Amino acid sequence: EVPLVESGGGLVQPGGSLRLSCAPSGFTFSRYEMNWVRQAPGKGLEWVSHISANGSTIYYADSVKGRFTISRDNAKNSLYLQMNSLRAEDTAVYYCARDILGAGVLDYWGQGTLVTVSS
Amino acid sequence: DIQMTQSPSSLSASVGDRVTITCQASQDISNYLNWYQQKPGKAPRLLIYDASYLQTGVPSRFSGSGSGTDFTFTISSLQPEDIATYYCQQYDNFPPWTFGQGTKVEIK
Repeated sequence: EVPLVESGGGLVQPGGSLRLSCAPSGFTFSRYEMNWVRQAPGKGLEWVSHISANGSTIYYADSVKGRFTISRDNAKNSLYLQMNSLRAEDTAVYYCARDILGAGVLDYWGQGTLVTVSS
Repeated sequence: DIQMTQSPSSLSASVGDRVTITCQASQDISNYLNWYQQKPGKAPRLLIYDASYLQTGVPSRFSGSGSGTDFTFTISSLQPEDIATYYCQQYDNFPPWTFGQGTKVEIK
C-alpha cells in the first residue's frame, strides 16, 4: 500500500495555475517534514520544495521560488503545492515524499501526478 | 549549490554480475548521501541512507560506501528485478537537496 497519494495534475496553459494535493495514510502526518520532487519527461529527479512538520520552515528551489507555494494542513492530513505562472519547463511528474529524518532522507514517495504545461 | 556527478550514466551487465556505480560531490558532504532506485513508471525507492545504511526491507545485495566527496553503490549479484535507474542524493548542504543525473542499469 502506497502511503502517499498525489492528485491535481493535468494540462494547463503557460501562465496558468494548478494546485497539487498529497494525501498521506498509515502514519502520523503531523510528525514529518515533507517535500515535493519533480521529474521532467525522460529526465532525472529535481527537488522542488520542503516544509517542516509544523509548517514554520519552508524552502524552495530557485527554479520555482516566487511562483510555487508549499503548504500543509495537519488537521486535514494534507500537503499542497500551489503552482502559479506555470512555464513549459515545469512539465513533469510531481511526487510528494516523506522526510524520515527531517533533513532530506525521503523514505516514502507517492505515485506522482503529471503536470503538463502547454498551449 | 552542491553538484552530484554519477558515473557511468548507463551500464549493461549479466545476471549475477557485481555492479558498481560511483557518485562524486562537488564539495565535502561527510556521509550525508542517499541512494534511490527508480523502476520505469514508478516512484523512486530509498535503498541506502547515510551513505551506507540499508533501508528496512532492502535486500542485502545492495550496499553503499564512501564519505567526503566520493561514494560507491554496489549490487553484489545483479538480479533481473534490479533493472532500474539509480540516483544518489546529497543532504549535507540544503537547500537545495541535489540529485545525481542517474545511472540506468540494464541486463546484458
